[in-house]
Amino acid sequence: AQSVTQLDSQVPVFEEAPVELRCNYSSSVSVYLFWYVQYPNQGLQLLLKYLSGSTLVKGINGFEAEFNKSQTSFHLRKPSVHISDTAEYFCAVTTNAGKSTFGDGTTLTVKP
Amino acid sequence: GAGVSQTPSNKVTEKGKYVELRCDPISGHTALYWYRQSLGQGPEFLIYFQGTGAADDSGLPNDRFFAVRPEGSVSTLKIQRTERGDSAVYLCASSSTGEAGELFFGEGSRLTVL
Repeated sequence: AQSVTQLDSQVPVFEEAPVELRCNYSSSVSVYLFWYVQYPNQGLQLLLKYLSGSTLVKGINGFEAEFNKSQTSFHLRKPSVHISDTAEYFCAVTTNAGKSTFGDGTTLTVKP
Repeated sequence: GAGVSQTPSNKVTEKGKYVELRCDPISGHTALYWYRQSLGQGPEFLIYFQGTGAADDSGLPNDRFFAVRPEGSVSTLKIQRTERGDSAVYLCASSSTGEAGELFFGEGSRLTVL
């Protein structure tokens, strides 16, 4: 079985500041890692994913994440946030069998 | 449309009633998933279809929940004898392969059981 822990339920930050949203996972098998974003009144959409290769992956809107196998982490970062980044962010792990397990989400609030 | 479509967007029903929620995936996507999202929580897996068959239904909470995908495209999630605890947003997603692929989500169907 897999589990995902998003360590911060809410992250308030000022505009143009850097941000890190933390995600840890556990799994007895190899997994693939994803971050999804949900803007208000919209469906979840993919931000970025790690399948293999370079452990640093870049996604849309200037976000990036680093896969750390020894620490079983996949933290999401952005060097300078905008008001429009205010949203709910979900970390997820997926096995070869296709089922995805999600964390409980982190609400990022960017203040002017 | 080009995305995943879910209907209805909102459904209010009374305890004990039967409910159907529909999902129309992206054309050509063979994999289809149902998730349930309660307030303050992440999506919780319910069932996964590969084509017409349920490849994994381990997330269905009990036998009141059932889902079908008879022609390998549109899927219907059926909930019998609804309970107040069934109130949640039901999310549908599709994927081109079902193997570590990106999930494309619909906007969800919000179910409220009074």
